[in-house]
Amino acid sequence: QVQLQESGPELVKPSETLSLTCTVSGDSISNYYWSWIRQPPGKGLEWVAFMYYSGSTDANPSLKSRVTVSLDTFRNLFSLKLTSVTAADTAVYFCAGSIERRGNWFFDLWGRGTLVTVSS
Amino acid sequence: DIQMTQSPSSLSASVGDTVTITCRASQDINNFLNWYQQKPGKAPKLLIYAASNLESGVPSRFSGSGFGTDFTFTISSLQPEDFATYYCQQYDDLPPITFGPGTKVDFK
Repeated sequence: QVQLQESGPELVKPSETLSLTCTVSGDSISNYYWSWIRQPPGKGLEWVAFMYYSGSTDANPSLKSRVTVSLDTFRNLFSLKLTSVTAADTAVYFCAGSIERRGNWFFDLWGRGTLVTVSS
Repeated sequence: DIQMTQSPSSLSASVGDTVTITCRASQDINNFLNWYQQKPGKAPKLLIYAASNLESGVPSRFSGSGFGTDFTFTISSLQPEDFATYYCQQYDDLPPITFGPGTKVDFK
């Protein structure tokens, strides 16, 4: 059974960089498309970025200038960096996966999410 | 970006009721639409993919239909565990993929 676990600092100061890691266990990270999806407290879902082991990647245009995603296929890790954060970046960040044979955008794998608060 | 709207934003229902949620896209998205269920403090769960296909392991009381810009999600015979928020998600025109604002189903 594939499991995802997000990890990283729960508190980030304004203007600093938010860094999160998703640890994938139970299968090879190369078998999935990976996305970060976030949810501000009490609000809806917003797609942040995706990556595939081939190197294919894209991000939400509203965040693209601040987002970097990466995959470590040896350690089965999917990472997110979001620079110059503000209070508007406060959210639960989910790691989500779509199995390769189905194609991207069918998020049938989710981590539990991690709440990141941007505050001084 | 394609804008997704959902109606209603919330509804109250009783166990055994049939619940219908509508999702509308700001432009034609073919059948590139998924539905998710989210319970408080939990990650979303994929229920319906490509507008009308039931995800493996999901009870058959959940169903979806639609094509183009208008989509419907139905729960027949609502169960206690179905009280949650439901989101539609389009993946036709991207980036970005976009989600609807959600419909909260609570107990009447």
